[in-house]
Amino acid sequence: GEDVEQSLFLSVREGDSSVINCTYTDSSSTYLYWYKQEPGAGLQLLTYIFSNMDMKQDQRLTVLLNKKDKHLSLRIADTQTGDSAIYFCAESLYSGNTPLVFGKGTRLSVIA
Amino acid sequence: DGGITQSPKYLFRKEGQNVTLSCEQNLNHDAMYWYRQDPGQGLRLIYYSQIVNDFQKGDIAEGYSVSREKKESFPLTVTSAQKNPTAFYLCASSPLPRGANGELFFGEGSRLTVL
Repeated sequence: GEDVEQSLFLSVREGDSSVINCTYTDSSSTYLYWYKQEPGAGLQLLTYIFSNMDMKQDQRLTVLLNKKDKHLSLRIADTQTGDSAIYFCAESLYSGNTPLVFGKGTRLSVIA
Repeated sequence: DGGITQSPKYLFRKEGQNVTLSCEQNLNHDAMYWYRQDPGQGLRLIYYSQIVNDFQKGDIAEGYSVSREKKESFPLTVTSAQKNPTAFYLCASSPLPRGANGELFFGEGSRLTVL
């Protein structure tokens, strides 16, 4: 079965790096995603990684994938107050036509 | 502009009443989804549809119903049989196949409160 686990809270100081972690159970996962949700809003895709990749970097965001341990992380460099939000890890299986399975979300609080 | 529109944004309901949440998309996406969000529970899939006039139950379909009469519309009815309906409801859509990165596109959500 599919299950995605994340810690619920993270607090960092402005300017520091944030690292949000996620574990998933299904080794058939094809794509893994990070979505961001601002208060009272829908989710927006931040970044994604294909299962044959180990790392992906996009400006301040770095995604690391450890397939052996089924562990995904999102690092945000130089965290800003505007980064305060809930971050969801999600996985997709096989061809990608099945619905995404989401984790419970990590609430990131950035302290000025 | 293309996107997904959910309405209403806020809705109050008395116990025992059915309510319908609207979700419309003009992205020409084949698939549409309804998720429920509760604090600390993440997103849980209620129903999804990959083609007009067809839909599948998700993990928590009990007490909910949907229809897909048009490609662009996927309304969700929260029935009186749903025991704990107070939640934030999110609608999403995607093309099929789901594109190079498999992204889902989300609406802004509807917050339902049962009084």
